[in-house]
Amino acid sequence: QKEVEQDPGPLSVPEGAIVSLNCTYSNSAFQYFMWYRQYSRKGPELLMYTYSSGNKEDGRFTAQVDKSSKYISLFIRDSQPSDSATYLCALVTDSWGKLQFGAGTQVVVTP
Amino acid sequence: EAGVAQSPRYKIIEKRQSVAFWCNPISGHATLYWYQQILGQGPKLLIQFQNNGVVDDSQLPKDRFSAERLKGVDSTLKIQPAKLEDSAVYLCASSLVSGANVLTFGAGSRLTVL
Repeated sequence: QKEVEQDPGPLSVPEGAIVSLNCTYSNSAFQYFMWYRQYSRKGPELLMYTYSSGNKEDGRFTAQVDKSSKYISLFIRDSQPSDSATYLCALVTDSWGKLQFGAGTQVVVTP
Repeated sequence: EAGVAQSPRYKIIEKRQSVAFWCNPISGHATLYWYQQILGQGPKLLIQFQNNGVVDDSQLPKDRFSAERLKGVDSTLKIQPAKLEDSAVYLCASSLVSGANVLTFGAGSRLTVL
């Protein structure tokens, strides 16, 4: 069993729709939960991170963590074609900040 | 602020040949990482440096991969000899501190082994 599971997609939605992405994890020692966005032929860039259960909002993006269920989510409201990318969840377990990435979900927002 | 620089962007070699990738992190960033990203997968950590020292190289195939970070700044990742399964994007990232840190990634070096 992988430590971090993420559906690879692709997930295709019309412009303006809500995009819902999620990851499950098995190691309860994970302390920090991050979402990275990766455009084609680019490196990942950090979108959001949190360390506690609950919701965190940043503009059109909402990150949600449920530690009891070992489940994290990312919601994108009013999706735009520019949101078309691969979204990677990443979890941090140790004091050195080692990231454990999910496989990434490819999102396509069609005009 | 300049980003993380990597070169070359693309490299095609035949199996059993050698290849080297170079990374220049963001100025002042003490921690440097090399990740391997195979098509359709998330990045996997190969090696993490804190200044000059290696913090984690547990997933580095040491029989063929080597990495160094000279003077705590630039870093080089070498593969010798390359195998078909080494075809991937090699991502360099840096961060100011370790822990709950924000990694800044370079654009990556795409390796194709024929």
